[in-house]
Amino acid sequence: EAQVTQNPRYLITVTGKKLTVTCSQNMNHEYMSWYRQDPGLGLRQIYYSMNVEVTDKGDVPEGYKVSRKEKRNFPLILESPSPNQTSLYFCASSSRNRGNEKLFFGSGTQLSVL
Amino acid sequence: GENVEQHPSTLSVQEGDSAVIKCTYSDSASNYFPWYKQELGKGPQLIIDIRSNVGEKKDQRIAVTLNKTAKHFSLHITETQPEDSAVYFCAASVYSSASKIIFGSGTRLSIRP
Repeated sequence: EAQVTQNPRYLITVTGKKLTVTCSQNMNHEYMSWYRQDPGLGLRQIYYSMNVEVTDKGDVPEGYKVSRKEKRNFPLILESPSPNQTSLYFCASSSRNRGNEKLFFGSGTQLSVL
Repeated sequence: GENVEQHPSTLSVQEGDSAVIKCTYSDSASNYFPWYKQELGKGPQLIIDIRSNVGEKKDQRIAVTLNKTAKHFSLHITETQPEDSAVYFCAASVYSSASKIIFGSGTRLSIRP
């Protein structure tokens, strides 16, 4: 089954404790992206990647890192989480490099930073 | 950069009635406008999209219209059913480029029985 898998679904952590949210897709998509969803603000892009070893900032990249060492994986790293990073996070992928714009989203990760 | 505004933020309609959600965009270079539906506890899913070379597109009870001159596009759902209850996001981007996809703020649609 074609899917984007995020882990964990729920995460509670404390300020300053490094964490990683994993994202994996099994559709051989070149394009992957991370979004955060906050009430009244919709989906805002954090980082995106057009292909392996190619990443770029989205609209709200501060406090986040990403890496794309393999085509299927695109982890989101919070080196020193802060309470304002409490949010619902979504990973997405597509083959938009080849003209297919449809984004496939994971089920989300609800992060709470205390 | 592109800015997408979406209205209303919440919408409640009687089952069987129609629902309309409206979006405006700022960048005249945008030429691809998808709509995503997010059910409770799930990630958004594409339900319909339109490119700027057409003015309207329909898929069963769902239709999207685009007015390039006014930079408006709208989602129309007819004969609403309980399963239409969800959050809907519009978005705008430049088709097949490295440009970002910019989403609207979302509309929570509730269908009253």
